[in-house]
Amino acid sequence: NAGVTQTPKFQVLKTGQSMTLQCAQDMNHNSMYWYRQDPGMGLRLIYYSASEGTTDKGEVPNGYNVSRLNKREFSLRLESAAPSQTSVYFCASSEAADTREQYFGPGTRLTVT
Amino acid sequence: AQSVTQLDSHVSVSEGTPVLLRCNYSSSYSPSLFWYVQHPNKGLQLLLKYTSAATLVKGINGFEAEFKKSETSFHLTKPSAHMSDAAEYFCVVNTGTASKLTFGTGTRLQVTL
Repeated sequence: NAGVTQTPKFQVLKTGQSMTLQCAQDMNHNSMYWYRQDPGMGLRLIYYSASEGTTDKGEVPNGYNVSRLNKREFSLRLESAAPSQTSVYFCASSEAADTREQYFGPGTRLTVT
Repeated sequence: AQSVTQLDSHVSVSEGTPVLLRCNYSSSYSPSLFWYVQHPNKGLQLLLKYTSAATLVKGINGFEAEFKKSETSFHLTKPSAHMSDAAEYFCVVNTGTASKLTFGTGTRLQVTL
């Protein structure tokens, strides 16, 4: 039982490049989330998916897109990376959208130069 | 609206002495409150949670927290610090759906010999 897994662990991009961050969970959870973590700011919600087939914007969605591929997988795409997107990205999941406890992956450290 | 304030960005204690990490919250509704821990270069792990049952909540690794509605506080304590407790700790509040998780800015706990 791996919980929430994320790939890659590290990534360096040049400004304007695109990439997709992958997330998968094996807990049969319905809801999944993408956060970014910046120094001194805690975690901020980018997008979430309350259930398979639905996605919604969080606090900081600009510059990102998401896809809920199936119940297990939720990907985050940067179409044209900017230095302001340098951050650590965390994926999380919960049993349902009204379940308040979330389980987090190990994170992806992204640097945009 | 909901918000979380972690009163100390950095706390340093000696091994074997008590730990106190302070958290105040603001919420329009009955909140659920969590403490998460993040070890260096790792994801977030749930330490404990309060969801309107007992006001004194026990978590993993000897940590506990007390919900005080009159003070709108949810401070994290441990009687005796261990070197392995050195990490960043996040206080989190939720008053609605899981998409409304609000993180504090974190407290870095340093444990010295």
